[in-house]
Amino acid sequence: AQSVTQPDIHITVSEGASLELRCNYSYGATPYLFWYVQSPGQGLQLLLKYFSGDTLVQGIKGFEAEFKRSQSSFNLRKPSVHWSDAAEYFCAVGANQAGTALIFGKGTTLSVSS
Amino acid sequence: DVKVTQSSRYLVKRTGEKVFLECVQDMDHENMFWYRQDPGLGLRLIYFSYDVKMKEKGDIPEGYSVSREKKERFSLILESASTNQTSMYLCASFRTSYEQYFGPGTRLTVT
Repeated sequence: AQSVTQPDIHITVSEGASLELRCNYSYGATPYLFWYVQSPGQGLQLLLKYFSGDTLVQGIKGFEAEFKRSQSSFNLRKPSVHWSDAAEYFCAVGANQAGTALIFGKGTTLSVSS
Repeated sequence: DVKVTQSSRYLVKRTGEKVFLECVQDMDHENMFWYRQDPGLGLRLIYFSYDVKMKEKGDIPEGYSVSREKKERFSLILESASTNQTSMYLCASFRTSYEQYFGPGTRLTVT
């Protein structure tokens, strides 16, 4: 069965420091991978996606993620975190070829300290 | 921009009430979804619909039903609300390529 694991429930980084949020997936075929962000009280916003091709994908708000098939990972990175990046981040994988559902990880909450 | 709207941001209902959560999207998307979000559990799929009058159960359909009479509107129905259905409910839609657009969510409290 497909699954997504986000090993870190909560991460705190200092403003201006770099960030890496981990995501591991389990999926038999070539996965479609996503990162979403959810600010407090809001819905989810797509940060970036990977379907195929270049394994390093760029997203909005200065985020990037790298697909590593050998490690079944799709980690999210940002070189310099801003206080406004404090939010909950969800990794997701496309569950089937028909494209009708996503499977989400349980999320990582990011706190930014000054 | 794609817009997905949900009828209420906050809702308080009593146990046993019938509850309707409405979701509307303005981008002519075929696929629409209802998730519930609970702390530590992430997002769990309740139901989805890939066309008008079509519906499929997700991972946790028990206690819920849905209605899709028009392409732009997807309703989630709690036939008899219970306290364990207190949660954040998120609606999403997409046309192709899995990229789902989410509404702002409805925080439902059942007392």
